[in-house]
Amino acid sequence: QQQVKQSPQSLIVQKGGISIINCAYENTAFDYFPWYQQFPGKGPALLIAIRPDVSEKKEGRFTISFNKSAKQFSLHIMDSQPGDSATYFCAARSWNSNSGYALNFGKGTSLLVTP
Amino acid sequence: SAVISQKPSRDICQRGTSLTIQCQVDSQVTMMFWYRQQPGQSLTLIATANQGSEATYESGFVIDKFPISRPNLTFSTLTVSNMSPEDSSIYLCSVVGGLGAFFGQGTRLTVV
Repeated sequence: QQQVKQSPQSLIVQKGGISIINCAYENTAFDYFPWYQQFPGKGPALLIAIRPDVSEKKEGRFTISFNKSAKQFSLHIMDSQPGDSATYFCAARSWNSNSGYALNFGKGTSLLVTP
Repeated sequence: SAVISQKPSRDICQRGTSLTIQCQVDSQVTMMFWYRQQPGQSLTLIATANQGSEATYESGFVIDKFPISRPNLTFSTLTVSNMSPEDSSIYLCSVVGGLGAFFGQGTRLTVV
């Protein structure tokens, strides 16, 4: 069962435009929401993250918007560049007494920024 | 942040054989995670490896197929046993540190 639903599956944005990727969740026990960026042949790399008590976090061109009541969060990439072309995964962290922290990943969004 | 070295980075294996993937972390961590990422798909957690105890496997993954070792706080191995073409995937190890999870570069496995 997919605990974190991510959309769109793929996205094409022109250089300079805004890329928006959305995620939704149901489990209110999630306590941390990171975004990962993955280039082909590489492991995912932490991009930016937010806690549920914050509505927005900005780091450079990357912003997370978090809506706790709607159980949704989104990644905005401002002034998108061809170098941003990658697959982006949202995730939500949970705690399990048997295995400790675990990350639940969305299915990923393949972003292509055209010149 | 943590630096994770994973090897091999890729391998092509014959069906029926086994491959052991190694994961080395530059700092001591309690838990290490092993994921599988099938082509074009998201990451699926295989198991969580705690040092000094048996690994905890997620639904659909069993120890006989994916035995894990965790001999110390900086190292773990995942073995993919009796491989079939369906095991062709990227395998990633991960640790959780501070506010984030960090991943190795992955092992791209092709079973022929």
